[in-house]
Amino acid sequence: DTEVTQTPKHLVMGMTNKKSLKCEQHMGHRAMYWYKQKAKKPPELMFVYSYEKLSINESVPSRFSPECPNSSLLNLHLHALQPEDSALYLCASSQEGLAGGYHTGELFFGEGSRLTVL
Amino acid sequence: AQKITQTQPGMFVQEKEAVTLDCTYDTSDPSYGLFWYKQPSSGEMIFLIYQGSYDQQNATEGRYSLNFQKARKSANLVISASQLGDSAMYFCAMREGGTYNTDKLIFGTGTRLQVFP
Repeated sequence: DTEVTQTPKHLVMGMTNKKSLKCEQHMGHRAMYWYKQKAKKPPELMFVYSYEKLSINESVPSRFSPECPNSSLLNLHLHALQPEDSALYLCASSQEGLAGGYHTGELFFGEGSRLTVL
Repeated sequence: AQKITQTQPGMFVQEKEAVTLDCTYDTSDPSYGLFWYKQPSSGEMIFLIYQGSYDQQNATEGRYSLNFQKARKSANLVISASQLGDSAMYFCAMREGGTYNTDKLIFGTGTRLQVFP
């Protein structure tokens, strides 16, 4: 079983809805990520949080709003999405190297939230 | 410029045979990490193997090994004794910078492997 838990697994929303995707990990990781994956494409990085602070925003439209309430949780708030935003949204976590010690930087992924925007 | 290239959109292999999935990369950073992930139809990305740019030996993890040719900038994944459960999408990925960076993981376009009996 994955140690990164994403909810919901499936979400259908209209273009005027507001919804949120949630991600949780209890591995003590201090870096968390949101990736977007369209069908038959590789995952594309959206946001990176390091020690609960946003460290990378890959020029993502403001209709996607990330939030990291604490070191174990990562949310992605969705508002006024477009049909082309339909995709698999993957959350991941990794050890933060600044915490000390060697690590590979391996990302641990959840199973994803499959979003359909009508 | 594309940094990770996987030229095989699809591969077929018979059960119990070995298969090599190709990956080439491009970076000017002397410190980088290379990863292979497996993505079954469920969607989860499963980490398989890691190779650091300064690692002297090729990485191995069970049935997975990484054929790392630094001068050629290639990091091919070798799966030995294929199993039906190996059927999935396989992504090569690279992280630039040292292990103390929280940095981007850039993925290749993937190779769909199908294992047949």
